[in-house]
Amino acid sequence: GENVEQHPSTLSVQEGDSAVIKCTYSDSASNYFPWYKQELGKRPQLIIDIRSNVGEKKDQRIAVTLNKTAKHFSLHITETQPEDSAVYFCAASSVLGDSSYKLIFGSGTRLLVRP
Amino acid sequence: EAQVTQNPRYLITVTGKKLTVTCSQNMNHEYMSWYRQDPGLGLRQIYYSMNVEVTDKGDVPEGYKVSRKEKRNFPLILESPSPNQTSLYFCASSFSPWLAGYNEQFFGPGTRLTVL
Repeated sequence: GENVEQHPSTLSVQEGDSAVIKCTYSDSASNYFPWYKQELGKRPQLIIDIRSNVGEKKDQRIAVTLNKTAKHFSLHITETQPEDSAVYFCAASSVLGDSSYKLIFGSGTRLLVRP
Repeated sequence: EAQVTQNPRYLITVTGKKLTVTCSQNMNHEYMSWYRQDPGLGLRQIYYSMNVEVTDKGDVPEGYKVSRKEKRNFPLILESPSPNQTSLYFCASSFSPWLAGYNEQFFGPGTRLTVL
């Protein structure tokens, strides 16, 4: 089955610097790659996603890149701000036949943005 | 307001005492899922449901049961809870992934369960 590995587990950056979180996946059938942000004590919320027919997607200060050949995707946050401090989860999913759909999450990255 | 709700939000119980965590969504979503979140392990899927009366195991289904008798509700049942089920549980829902192959999952607020 699908396995998603996420690195690093913790990341500390200075405010204004960029942050990059990387994930690899194992199932070549995976076709959807969302990123969720979870603030302390809150529920995970989708911040950006990418589909397998797209190599890069941007939304203001965040961007995601996908390399299908290497089976890895990354989250890039530019001009980081203290409110970006949170745990970030990558995930990969695949639609299989008519009876299976799973969203497999990475183990999470705790991002700390130092003022 | 479109939302996913869970109850209770916090629960402390003892080993072997059956419990149910309820999940309800008002967005007419076909797909619903339960996850548990443990430090260093991320979110692991317990069970999911593609639609009413259609459920399937996720990656960590042992010790849990679910049912989907109505579209809006997807309760998680622990018949005989054990300490290793102490965790933070999230319910999530989305429109059917079959329609587009991908759909944003909306998470409930979480239920923190402690089994003594």
